[in-house]
Amino acid sequence: EAGVAQSPRYKIIEKRQSVAFWCNPISGHATLYWYQQILGQGPKLLIQFQNNGVVDDSQLPKDRFSAERLKGVDSTLKIQPAKLEDSAVYLCASMDGGNTEAFFGQGTRLTVV
Amino acid sequence: QKEVEQDPGPLSVPEGAIVSLNCTYSNSAFQYFMWYRQYSRKGPELLMYTYSSGNKEDGRFTAQVDKSSKYISLFIRDSQPSDSATYLCAMSYNTNAGKSTFGDGTTLTVKP
Repeated sequence: EAGVAQSPRYKIIEKRQSVAFWCNPISGHATLYWYQQILGQGPKLLIQFQNNGVVDDSQLPKDRFSAERLKGVDSTLKIQPAKLEDSAVYLCASMDGGNTEAFFGQGTRLTVV
Repeated sequence: QKEVEQDPGPLSVPEGAIVSLNCTYSNSAFQYFMWYRQYSRKGPELLMYTYSSGNKEDGRFTAQVDKSSKYISLFIRDSQPSDSATYLCAMSYNTNAGKSTFGDGTTLTVKP
């Protein structure tokens, strides 16, 4: 079974630029999460999707961050405009509806300079 | 104050040692407790998952939960160099395991 795929693996941008991350969850997993992991900290949930609907986006900085999962499969997370403090690893995870385990991708490491 | 506090480490032990990793939490509404292992430049992977107070064993790993003290631990017996990683505790209110509050992790190095 293929795992959660994320791209790109690394991205360096200047502040005020925009950036997008892509996630392909495990096939059949209805629930998808985006996390932000700042160096030296644990992952912090940004948004949760159930199929193509948003379940929880209370921690998403909506003035600059947006996410979508249009067909209930792949998802994109966008930051526009980026700030220095957005430098972090952005992790995508997916979960089967009947399971209690979330499977994480390898993440996209973003550096904002 | 953070909802979940984890011993920061780093921790360095010789191969074969018993390792103890610990977290405390403040919110008694947390019902599900998890330990993840995260290798460098990888995503977290679930090691242990437990619901009730007490011990749960899986091979060389034992997860311990004390809800009365709001304290959880992960013990690693006969530690191996391949156990070198960052260990994250995580907690959730229900079976929505992806919607968890994580500790900041303890980095473990097991020296041959």
